[in-house]
Amino acid sequence: DIQMTQSPSSLSAAVGDRVTFTCRPSETISSYLNWYQVKPGTAPKLLIYVATLLSNGVPERFSGSGSGTDFNLTITNLQPEDFATYFCQQSYALPLTFGGGTQVEMK
Amino acid sequence: EGQLVESGGGLIQPGGSLRLSCAVSGFSVNISYMTWVRQVPGKGLEWISVIHSDGTPYYADSMKGRFTISRDNSKNTLFLKMTSLRVDDTAVYHCARGGTYFGMDVWGQGTTVTVS
Repeated sequence: DIQMTQSPSSLSAAVGDRVTFTCRPSETISSYLNWYQVKPGTAPKLLIYVATLLSNGVPERFSGSGSGTDFNLTITNLQPEDFATYFCQQSYALPLTFGGGTQVEMK
Repeated sequence: EGQLVESGGGLIQPGGSLRLSCAVSGFSVNISYMTWVRQVPGKGLEWISVIHSDGTPYYADSMKGRFTISRDNSKNTLFLKMTSLRVDDTAVYHCARGGTYFGMDVWGQGTTVTVS
């Protein structure tokens, strides 16, 4: 199975900040990397698919980059509704696997 | 875009069985890849199973032989039959559209399964 490692596990930020966090698979996955936002009690939301493509309706302050074994999710101009936990997920091979998440907390 | 609504969760004793349902609206379950994912509160997401549009199922190793994914095209509903439930199966279970290279783009709110 492909192991997904996210860092940091949590970070504190303020509204308006630019934040970047990382996802590293245990083996190369080409660009088959997706990012989700999860808030307590709500359905997960697909933000970015195939490493860089913005899902429908997702604000352009979210962006993804990377390929192979090194991926990033960046949020520019952090908004109050962005405080949540973010998970990466590889879709290169079954079983699909998720990272452990990065929790973005309000500073 | 579509909507998914899960049901069927509840409190069950270890060793018991449950069948979760995922009612689909806005698209057809039989032409989509459909996935089950679970989340232990305060922890991460875990992939359970996917059923391809041709009906082929795939499972995580820890669920193989205990869980069965299926769909009813006439009711546009996805199912997850869970047997031999264990305490560590306690989680919120979500259904989602997708499970291919392009991510899971529509999710349900989830149904809670507590094994105790």
